[in-house]
Amino acid sequence: TQLLEQSPQFLSIQEGENLTVYCNSSSVFSSLQWYRQEPGEGPVLLVTVVTGGEVKKLKRLTFQFGDARKDSSLHITAAQPGDTGLYLCAGEEGGNKLVFGAGTILRVKS
Amino acid sequence: GAGVSQSPSNKVTEKGKDVELRCDPISGHTALYWYRQSLGQGLEFLIYFQGNSAPDKSGLPSDRFSAERTGGSVSTLTIQRTQQEDSAVYLCASSWVINQPQHFGDGTRLSIL
Repeated sequence: TQLLEQSPQFLSIQEGENLTVYCNSSSVFSSLQWYRQEPGEGPVLLVTVVTGGEVKKLKRLTFQFGDARKDSSLHITAAQPGDTGLYLCAGEEGGNKLVFGAGTILRVKS
Repeated sequence: GAGVSQSPSNKVTEKGKDVELRCDPISGHTALYWYRQSLGQGLEFLIYFQGNSAPDKSGLPSDRFSAERTGGSVSTLTIQRTQQEDSAVYLCASSWVINQPQHFGDGTRLSIL
């Protein structure tokens, strides 16, 4: 089973600051997904990246897939309290099995 | 319903008892997945179904765990002789077909006393 390492594990920042979350692996994934999860709820898909070097933007969120398709990053510009949550990256393994990172807990203080 | 529905939302039981968790996927979704999320950890893949068949059972942690899906819709995950280490949130997801985005339910929080 391929492993995904996320960093940092926990991030506490002030409203308006920028941040980046990293997702790294030594293995290649056919695609990589980012999810956001709030307490008591299931993860909600934010984006799927498929092509090496791909960059996708979702309002203040920018997602990048590494050229070798082994790593990805999520950058949030001007974070808001509503961005608070658990951010999970997940790589697609063979047979449509998703391998998840341990997650990054983001807390944005107003 | 509009989303993936899981029941019960919370389950507390004594060690050694059997539990059954239910997942009702989005109507029309042919693929269904079960994951386990322990405190402070990411999601651990357990099993997935394409229709009623489960091509990959390698994620089930022990032979106390089993899952079935009938009629291409509702799935149940059964844990026999529960142990304290089984305590976790069990999440179900479904997708229209495999390799399509997965939509998650809100999970069942299982606590083994």
